[in-house]
Amino acid sequence: QLQLQESGPGLVKASETLSLTCTVSGGSISSSTYYWGWIRQPPGKGLEWIGSLFYSGSSYYNPSLKSRVTTSVDTSNNQFSLRLSSVTAADTAWYYCARHLSGTYSGDLYMGHYFDYWGRGTLVTVSS
Amino acid sequence: QSALTQPASVSGSPGQSITISCTGTSRDVGSYKLVSWYQQHPGKAPKLMIYEDTKRPSGVSNRFSGSKSGNTASLTISGLQAEDEADYHCCSYAGSITLLFGGGTKLTVL
Repeated sequence: QLQLQESGPGLVKASETLSLTCTVSGGSISSSTYYWGWIRQPPGKGLEWIGSLFYSGSSYYNPSLKSRVTTSVDTSNNQFSLRLSSVTAADTAWYYCARHLSGTYSGDLYMGHYFDYWGRGTLVTVSS
Repeated sequence: QSALTQPASVSGSPGQSITISCTGTSRDVGSYKLVSWYQQHPGKAPKLMIYEDTKRPSGVSNRFSGSKSGNTASLTISGLQAEDEADYHCCSYAGSITLLFGGGTKLTVL
């Protein structure tokens, strides 16, 4: 059974950089079938896709966060990471990592692009 | 890109059916058969309930179904049960390997 686990500081100071790591167990991160994604949820609010990356390092980001986001992958340790710079109180949220089915064509039909396994999430609070 | 639009809340009695809508645009929901739905109980991670507009993952009750018309996708839950009370989030592919979520809908089972 695939499992994902987020780790990182629960408290970050405003203007600094938030750094989180997701460790994948029960399966390899080096698969052409999947991206690996980051999603966040401010307390009491909806989900927001931050970005997804491929094991090769190719990354795709939410346009609204693109200027502040960097993702990376460590295939030797089956981990991938998120860095979000210049954080403010608005970045206080639960941060989830998840497995993201990559898009594929079946005939003319484009398929995929959903999150099938999620980590439990980690709460990151930005302090002033 | 703007978030997809969902009602803030819906409610229903046990045994009834409810439908949650998710409205996007012709650039996202209306362009691809790639809407997914997630159930989230308080303090828990989201769980995939529907993918590719209408498909159900193994293990998800057939009381949950997805549909779409134009730029609006819908999640229907039939035979409501107390355990269905949760938040529900829709998500759509929006092109160029980007994804959009809705604001979430709180389902109350009366």
